[in-house]
Order: sequence, then C-alpha cells, then structure tokens
Amino acid sequence: GAVVSQHPSWVICKSGTSVKIECRSLDFQATTMFWYRQFPKQSLMLMATSNEGSKATYEQGVEKDKFLINHASLTLSTLTVTSAHPEDSSFYICSARPRQGFFEQYFGPGTRLTVT
Amino acid sequence: GENVEQHPSTLSVQEGDSAVIKCTYSDSASNYFPWYKQELGKRPQLIIDIRSNVGEKKDQRIAVTLNKTAKHFSLHITETQPEDSAVYFCAATYSGNTPLVFGKGTRLSVIA
Repeated sequence: GAVVSQHPSWVICKSGTSVKIECRSLDFQATTMFWYRQFPKQSLMLMATSNEGSKATYEQGVEKDKFLINHASLTLSTLTVTSAHPEDSSFYICSARPRQGFFEQYFGPGTRLTVT
Repeated sequence: GENVEQHPSTLSVQEGDSAVIKCTYSDSASNYFPWYKQELGKRPQLIIDIRSNVGEKKDQRIAVTLNKTAKHFSLHITETQPEDSAVYFCAATYSGNTPLVFGKGTRLSVIA
C-alpha cells in the first residue's frame, strides 16, 4: 500500500515552454501533498505544500506564478513549470500524506526535467 | 523554522565495518525523525524512523538513536555491505501537518 506515482518520469522541453507534472496517490487519499526539487548532489528542497481544495503554500524564494500547483482532488496534485528556463532543470519529487496528523510522507518516483 | 544539519557529507567504510551518520535539529518541538536512503535517480526510501518518546530503535543492521536534550539523532549501520552504498538523508518535523525538513545528505560508500 501507500503508492505514489508521478508522470512523466522524465521530460525535455524547450526554453519558454510550460511543463505539467502529475502526482497521484494510487491506493490512498492524500489530504496533503508536497513538492520538492532536488539539484544534482544536493538535498531535497521543499517548494510548496498543497492541501486538497485550497491554495498551495509556497516556501520562501519559490515563485508561485512560475510554479503553479493544483490539488484538485484527494488523489491528484499537479505542478506546472511555466516559461521554463535551463536553470529550472532539476529532479522534481512529490510526496503525500494520507491524512492530517500522520507523520510519514510517501514519495513519488520523481520527474527529471531538462530545459534546453 | 526547523533547520537540520547532517554530518559527514561523505563517508567511506570497508565492507563489514559500521557507519554512523549524525544529525542535529534546531526546533525543540520536532518529534518525528525519519531516515531515508536514496539511490541515484530514484525516490527516497524510508529505512527507519523514530519518535520523540523513544530513545533508540533498531531494525536488523540499522539503528537510530535520539537525544532530545541535545537535539541530535544518529543512524547506525552495522556489518555494512556494498549495497548499502547510497545517499542517506535525515529529516525532522514536529507535526503531522507540517512537511519534513531534510538534512543535506551523506554519501556512503562501502568498499568491498
């Protein structure tokens, strides 16, 4: 149980285009989902927290107009990187919690984004 | 907010030896401390976790110790094997409604 999927697993796009990444909880309902970004040889950096049906909470320094997050249902959250640039190239990982007050986070397999 | 420091950044050990990775946290309210193993290009995998009401937890070759007074916790891997080679991350959080804050990671290499 507690499986989180992401799609696509990797994507290459041209500078200036937008890319959407999906995160799904397959066998549980996720009241809260988190989006992390991981650059090579670095740690996971939290970008934003999203709760179903409400606006995402972004971490300091993360542009909310550039990284659009939608958590429209209890099993799906999406991250859209708008007007992508080469510096946005990174490994994006989502995670989900099944319910309020539950500590463990279940991670998706990640999406490798390369912007050319 | 919470800040987690992790040491060392790299660690090389001979196969069969033990490895110890240490983390400190800043927020005394934190009460959940997981450890993750991440292989290149893959998701972090939870290997062990500990809550603040426990001082030590063990699972086969892996153990975690917690010192709440000093605000530090450690991962111990005994009888290391080449397949233990990976990046290990510690994390902390104080509530089921707040995200995990990660340390910077430790690259463990087990030399056969």
